[in-house]
Amino acid sequence: NAGVMQNPRHLVRRRGQEARLRCSPMKGHSHVYWYRQLPEEGLKFMVYLQKENIIDESGMPKERFSAEFPKEGPSILRIQQVVRGDSAAYFCASSLQNTEAFFGQGTRLTVV
Amino acid sequence: AQSVTQLDSHVSVSEGTPVLLRCNYSSSYSPSLFWYVQHPNKGLQLLLKYTSAATLVKGINGFEAEFKKSETSFHLTKPSAHMSDAAEYFCVVSDRGTSGTYKYIFGTGTRLKVLA
Repeated sequence: NAGVMQNPRHLVRRRGQEARLRCSPMKGHSHVYWYRQLPEEGLKFMVYLQKENIIDESGMPKERFSAEFPKEGPSILRIQQVVRGDSAAYFCASSLQNTEAFFGQGTRLTVV
Repeated sequence: AQSVTQLDSHVSVSEGTPVLLRCNYSSSYSPSLFWYVQHPNKGLQLLLKYTSAATLVKGINGFEAEFKKSETSFHLTKPSAHMSDAAEYFCVVSDRGTSGTYKYIFGTGTRLKVLA
């Protein structure tokens, strides 16, 4: 059973481009969480999804950011028209309900 | 509302001396509590978890934590620090919010430095 897989591990985008971050949860997990970690800071909750549903997006910026977790395939965090302030590590985690979350290795986004 | 407070942003200890990383939480329900460790430029690894069973929880690498409901604390300890313990440590609460869904709330982290 592979762990939570995130790809790419590193992503470089120019300002104004789109960034797509992918997360494949552990087998059997239907809960996915996305977190953002800015340099020298802790992890900040962004969004919590179950299959085909956004449960809690209270941590998502109101514009340019979106997330989905389709019935088939990985969860996608999409950032449109990236700006330098979007540079961060983005971590995905998956879990069964109210059990420990297993984290991926993260995607480090650099906006140049 | 749920929240987690890690009382120290940085802790320095000498190798071989005890480690204490402090965490306090607030929760409306019976929470689950976790400690995760993050080494530089790495992902997060679960150290230990509390899920309403024994209040003293043992984890990997010699770490343990005690859940104290009266103090709303879940401090992480280790009897003897090793150089490889130098990392960032996150206390996390998983709680059921008013919508009935569970969410993991992270503390801001404590950076542990181990001196030779």
